[in-house]
Amino acid sequence: EVQLVESGGGLVQPGRSLKLSCAASGFTFSNYGMAWVCQAPTKGLEWVASISTGGGNTYYRDSVKGRFTISRDNAKNTLYLQMDSLRSEDTATYYCARVETTRVSGIYFDYWGQGVMVTVSS
Amino acid sequence: DTVLTQSPALAVSPGERVTISCRASESVSTGMHWYQQKPGQQPKLLIYGASNLESGVPARFSGSGSGTDFTLTIDPVEADDTATYFCQQSWNDLTFGSGTKLEIK
Repeated sequence: EVQLVESGGGLVQPGRSLKLSCAASGFTFSNYGMAWVCQAPTKGLEWVASISTGGGNTYYRDSVKGRFTISRDNAKNTLYLQMDSLRSEDTATYYCARVETTRVSGIYFDYWGQGVMVTVSS
Repeated sequence: DTVLTQSPALAVSPGERVTISCRASESVSTGMHWYQQKPGQQPKLLIYGASNLESGVPARFSGSGSGTDFTLTIDPVEADDTATYFCQQSWNDLTFGSGTKLEIK
């Protein structure tokens, strides 16, 4: 059974940092791209960042470029999101998601973690 | 970015057929995917590539469309289908619709 378990969320002051982790199990982690998707309270979903299977290619939404860093450790089956210079508008639930990609269908997310809350407030 | 527009809410009775629409601001070919999110839970993939049913998803769910206009159909609707439904495209960058909240009367 595929499982994605996020951790590392919490309350943090504006301008500070936080690092999220996502522990993966039930599949060959190194064979899949991974992503972070966020959801502000009572709002919709927003893609945050993605990373390729080996970690060599990373992609970010414009609002987090230069502040967030996605990475992975395939030996530990773990995905990370380093969040620096946090802003109040980063407050959201952050989901770890497994990426599926096909030439015809494009990129979508076939498994999601339960999410971890990040609150940026003084 | 490609903007995906969904109607905000729908209410139907159990046993009825419901269609949830998603319109893209530019063509995304068949690169449209649908998710169900129940209150307090993570999203769940229902349909990928506009019309392909994800493994384990009941056949009551179906998807159609190409280009800019897409539809998620649930037939027949059950009480457990109460949720918000999001569309997502990856043809031009990667964006989600704002979601359609489905209420079962």
